Amino acid sequence: EPEVTQTPSHQVTQMGQEVILRCVPISNHLYFYWYRQILGQKVEFLVSFYNNEISEKSEIFDDQFSVERPDGSNFTLKIRSTKLEDSAMYFCASKGEAHSGPTDTQYFGPGTRLTVL
Amino acid sequence: DQQVKQNSPSLSVQEGRISILNCDYTNSMFDYFLWYKKYPAEGPTFLISISSIKDKNEDGRFTVFLNKSAKHLSLHIVPSQPGDSAVYFCAATPGGADGLTFGKGTHLIIQP
Repeated sequence: EPEVTQTPSHQVTQMGQEVILRCVPISNHLYFYWYRQILGQKVEFLVSFYNNEISEKSEIFDDQFSVERPDGSNFTLKIRSTKLEDSAMYFCASKGEAHSGPTDTQYFGPGTRLTVL
Repeated sequence: DQQVKQNSPSLSVQEGRISILNCDYTNSMFDYFLWYKKYPAEGPTFLISISSIKDKNEDGRFTVFLNKSAKHLSLHIVPSQPGDSAVYFCAATPGGADGLTFGKGTHLIIQP
């Protein structure tokens, strides 16, 4: 069964450094998303990406964040200058067509745990 | 501003009984409602969903009910099994490219 994959599983970085989190969405999917979950809190939407551009972004997704689909398979989230409060689990998700069937289901990857020291 | 609320942080149910998890929402633009199951340090796993044009969707042991007028949905698991112990998240979206809005989750514990 196709699945979303993410690398690395755990990333440790120093405050102020740049990190790139990588995702390989399900191959025939068209919509791509990043979410984060700070320890003990709920999963929060960051950004959605469709047709090679950002479709929607939350207040959290400020200028230090960027996303890219550099080739036909990868989808990346870059954090330019990490802060302590960026420490969280980051989840990538993908979805097929808009309103894919009756369910509009997004499928999630296993996550990358980012620790900023 | 909690647009999706799960008011029970935890729920304990005996094995074999029915588990009922509840979720309320406030945004009338939501058209799709999804339930995800999550273990610590793993990604959310899709369980079941429902669109706003329906009031019930069933998949094996899992049934989701939607009451649009009350802006309330519930997930029923019957019979509950030990492997069902996890955190369950309710999520909602208007659809299309829009992201999911999650509730805070309910930790379901199935007791033998």
